[in-house]
Amino acid sequence: SQKIEQNSEALNIQEGKTATLTCNYTNYSPAYLQWYRQDPGRGPVFLLLIRENEKEKRKERLKVTFDTTLKQSLFHITASQPADSATYLCALEGRNDMRFGAGTRLTVKP
Amino acid sequence: EAQVTQNPRYLITVTGKKLTVTCSQNMNHEYMSWYRQDPGLGLRQIYYSMNVEVTDKGDVPEGYKVSRKEKRNFPLILESPSPNQTSLYFCASSPTWGRDVYSNQPQHFGDGTRLSIL
Repeated sequence: SQKIEQNSEALNIQEGKTATLTCNYTNYSPAYLQWYRQDPGRGPVFLLLIRENEKEKRKERLKVTFDTTLKQSLFHITASQPADSATYLCALEGRNDMRFGAGTRLTVKP
Repeated sequence: EAQVTQNPRYLITVTGKKLTVTCSQNMNHEYMSWYRQDPGLGLRQIYYSMNVEVTDKGDVPEGYKVSRKEKRNFPLILESPSPNQTSLYFCASSPTWGRDVYSNQPQHFGDGTRLSIL
């Protein structure tokens, strides 16, 4: 069956460091993969999309990689700030929907 | 402002009392979807709609109904709520739906409805 796994439920890092979040998937051949941010009490907000023919995508302090051989995406936040603290979700398109991982809760400590 | 609006944001009710959660989007999106979010399980799709009068089941449709009579509205109906439907619910929309590798279809989410069924 199709499965999306995000490496850890929670990740704590120090301000200024790079946060790296992992998304692994099985039994998918996605055309693209998306990353969302979710703050407590709010809906997910779209951050980045990377297509299967792209290895890397950047947006300001965010970087996403997509390895279709390893079936893995890495999401990096460089020079992290306490304001980056949130839950981050990866998502793959299914037949008629997006399938989401359970998320990784990132806490950036000052 | 482009947005997806859900109502109510919070509801505590009792088993068996029919309820409706409304969802409205002002972006003229064709695709709309309902998810529930439970701890450790992530977002799971309940129902989706490709366009007006076109709806289909997602992963966890049991106990729910939807309708899509107008493009902007996609209400979620719990005919006879039960405690296992206590959850955080999200409505989402996107312009269209497709597997086109060159399309960009981020979903826009509402702020959620927290339902407690006693």
